[in-house]
Amino acid sequence: AQTVTQSQPEMSVQEAETVTLSCTYDTSENNYYLFWYKQPPSRQMILVIRQEAYKQQNATENRFSVNFQKAAKSFSLKISDSQLGDTAMYFCAFMKPPGSGNTGKLIFGQGTTLQVKP
Amino acid sequence: EAQVTQNPRYLITVTGKKLTVTCSQNMNHEYMSWYRQDPGLGLRQIYYSMNVEVTDKGDVPEGYKVSRKEKRNFPLILESPSPNQTSLYFCASSLFDRGGSPLHFGNGTRLTVT
Repeated sequence: AQTVTQSQPEMSVQEAETVTLSCTYDTSENNYYLFWYKQPPSRQMILVIRQEAYKQQNATENRFSVNFQKAAKSFSLKISDSQLGDTAMYFCAFMKPPGSGNTGKLIFGQGTTLQVKP
Repeated sequence: EAQVTQNPRYLITVTGKKLTVTCSQNMNHEYMSWYRQDPGLGLRQIYYSMNVEVTDKGDVPEGYKVSRKEKRNFPLILESPSPNQTSLYFCASSLFDRGGSPLHFGNGTRLTVT
């Protein structure tokens, strides 16, 4: 069974600085998908970034980028130029490839609470 | 606006009193699912549905029921709620037309069972 681990329960960063959130996962699959979701105090679950495992290139969305290390099964999220609005809980999640059962399912890590300080 | 709508946003009830949390999506998504979020555990899937009249258990289905009579609606039913079902619940949907379709989430329902 796949598992996702976020080993940093809480982190803080000064506004305008860069922070990296860690995520590791365990799977025997070769093709799969990885996501980062953001949950601000409003409780919404907001998609931040998506990575396809068969793509070597790291995904990027504006100030958000990932460092995807397939062999190490690591998928960290880097937030550049942190803003107060980035304060939220961040979840790393894994999704299996098509054709392997409940493939719409996301398997989540425990979450990392990020506080951006002014 | 494309969205997943779940109601109510907050719900306080007593042990054993049946309740339903509604979920509706307007994106014509085939796949719908329910998650519960608990501190230190992340989100865990309760039930899912790949299409109308097709539902199946997720990782933590005990004490819950679902139905999918229409494509857009996927209610979560707690026949006899217990305090260990106090949690934050999310409904989610996805297009499921290819691999890796992101889930779109509702705004959550905070349930307290006393």
